Amino acid sequence: NAGVTQTPKFRILKIGQSMTLQCTQDMNHNYMYWYRQDPGMGLKLIYYSVGAGITDKGEVPNGYNVSRSTTEDFPLRLELAAPSQTSVYFCASSYSKVASEAFFGQGTRLTVV
Amino acid sequence: QKEVEQNSGPLSVPEGAIASLNCTYSDRGSQSFFWYRQYSGKSPELIMFIYSNGDKEDGRFTAQLNKASQYVSLLIRDSQPSDSATYLCAVFTVIQGGSEKLVFGKGTKLTVNP
Repeated sequence: NAGVTQTPKFRILKIGQSMTLQCTQDMNHNYMYWYRQDPGMGLKLIYYSVGAGITDKGEVPNGYNVSRSTTEDFPLRLELAAPSQTSVYFCASSYSKVASEAFFGQGTRLTVV
Repeated sequence: QKEVEQNSGPLSVPEGAIASLNCTYSDRGSQSFFWYRQYSGKSPELIMFIYSNGDKEDGRFTAQLNKASQYVSLLIRDSQPSDSATYLCAVFTVIQGGSEKLVFGKGTKLTVNP
């Protein structure tokens, strides 16, 4: 069972470059999330989606964009990368909002230099 | 006030002891509460969830919820060195417009000493 798959696992970007972090889940979950985790810190919500075609901002959306054209995919786009975006990014999905388990991808470690 | 707050620790306990991890949340409308464990360099994994007042036990783990006090805790009995990790409290909370999201605390780092 694949679960939540993120690609790439590691990436180094130069300041001003752009990239897309891919996230795919095969569990038919409605809810999907993007988090970032800075060293020694908890998870901060960037964007989330409650279903295909519906996305909304989380705590720290600036510098990022998302789309949700299908139930399975929830890519995160970084435009004009900045050193402040150096972090570990986690994608997660869950079936419902109550008493549900959020499944996490393995994470993407991004460094902006 | 932050939505979900945890003691950042670190918390250190000897092997075999009870480890107690605490979490408070700000939104009285929150419905469900989760404890995740995260080993260094790995992604979070769910340990337990609870949505009713009282205790919920699963093996060596007990989650406790007090909605009146907006407090949720995790007790780990007979702590083992393999329990050494960061424990994240997460709360489903309502935001503007009626949508809901899963909000995490900063986590408490637990070290169990042999």
